[in-house]
Amino acid sequence: GQQLNQSPQSMFIQEGEDVSMNCTSSSIFNTWLWYKQDPGEGPVLLIALYKAGELTSNGRLTAQFGITRKDSFLNISASIPSDVGIYFCAGPLSAGSQGNLIFGKGTKLSVKP
Amino acid sequence: DGGITQSPKYLFRKEGQNVTLSCEQNLNHDAMYWYRQDPGQGLRLIYYSQIVNDFQKGDIAEGYSVSREKKESFPLTVTSAQKNPTAFYLCASSINFGTTAFFGQGTRLTVV
Repeated sequence: GQQLNQSPQSMFIQEGEDVSMNCTSSSIFNTWLWYKQDPGEGPVLLIALYKAGELTSNGRLTAQFGITRKDSFLNISASIPSDVGIYFCAGPLSAGSQGNLIFGKGTKLSVKP
Repeated sequence: DGGITQSPKYLFRKEGQNVTLSCEQNLNHDAMYWYRQDPGQGLRLIYYSQIVNDFQKGDIAEGYSVSREKKESFPLTVTSAQKNPTAFYLCASSINFGTTAFFGQGTRLTVV
């Protein structure tokens, strides 16, 4: 089936550093979604992207919808301990019967205080 | 406040028993979804419902059943046929099928 490939799978960073992660697919997406999941909680939507080339910010988070529509990037600037968690990318396949959301396996972020 | 409520947060059951997980939303969303999450894994779709009185199997529907008798409710039953039911279960909803999904807080099911 269709897959979203997230990288890196996990990362340790020093507090204050910037973080970059990405998500790629062999299929075209019309929407890219980025979620964050804290331990034992449900994922929370961070940023939604709806147009190729779109760059959207939410506080210290910035996400971009790749021009090819097959990838997306999430950057976190000046990381802090509460950024710890798992970041998932997701997207609905093309409209119609394949409209389910599919999720990447996540990037686990750990911050050294 | 609008949102998605899953209950209970933690659930313990003996092997061989059926168990039903609750999911309620007051967002007036048409579509609802159930996902399963195992440690270190992404989210896998169990069942989804595009509209009331309709539901479809997802990627891992075996051993699970659902109903959608009301727009705001989408309960999931984990049956004794599910061979490895211990997992974290997440319910989500969206305005329309395939659009941005919002999640509940999850139910951690442990079968002993």
